[in-house]
Amino acid sequence: EPEVTQTPSHQVTQMGQEVILRCVPISNHLYFYWYRQILGQKVEFLVSFYNNEISEKSEIFDDQFSVERPDGSNFTLKIRSTKLEDSAMYFCASSDLRNTGELFFGEGSRLTVL
Amino acid sequence: AQTVTQSQPEMSVQEAETVTLSCTYDTSESDYYLFWYKQPPSRQMILVIRQEAYKQQNATENRFSVNFQKAAKSFSLKISDSQLGDAAMYFCAYRSAYNNNDMRFGAGTRLTVKP
Repeated sequence: EPEVTQTPSHQVTQMGQEVILRCVPISNHLYFYWYRQILGQKVEFLVSFYNNEISEKSEIFDDQFSVERPDGSNFTLKIRSTKLEDSAMYFCASSDLRNTGELFFGEGSRLTVL
Repeated sequence: AQTVTQSQPEMSVQEAETVTLSCTYDTSESDYYLFWYKQPPSRQMILVIRQEAYKQQNATENRFSVNFQKAAKSFSLKISDSQLGDAAMYFCAYRSAYNNNDMRFGAGTRLTVKP
């Protein structure tokens, strides 16, 4: 069964460093998303992406964040200058045009900012 | 904006018993989707069950069923014959049928299954 894959599974970085989290969505999906889950808290929407541009972004998704689909398969989330409060699990998700509503999630990338 | 509320941070159930997880939501839209996702310790969120708002019949998936009350904006999940593998965080989620943008999640309910 096709699935969303994310790398790395865990990254530790120093505050102020740039981080890139990578995702390979399901191949025939056209909508892509990043969500964040701070430990013990709810899953929060960051950004959605369709047709090579951002469809919607939350107030969390400030100028430090960017997303890119550099080729036909990868979907990346970049944090330019990490802060302590960026420590969280980051989930990538994708969905297709059938609009059944379901999002398919990856296993997440745990980011620890020291 | 749509909000999703799960008022039970933790629940526990005896193996083989039945448990119900609560979820309420707030929306002004008439058409939408509701979901229950399971997040086991392995971290990946897995879809448990989905309900389309225009369908009056409650969705069922094997041991999982929902009680969808559209007027009350309530969407509870019933797990019958609970198994040890059901232990996980359960998230209720809402998604508009009018766009493909974000899905809104509740805060989650941690379910413990006692042998």
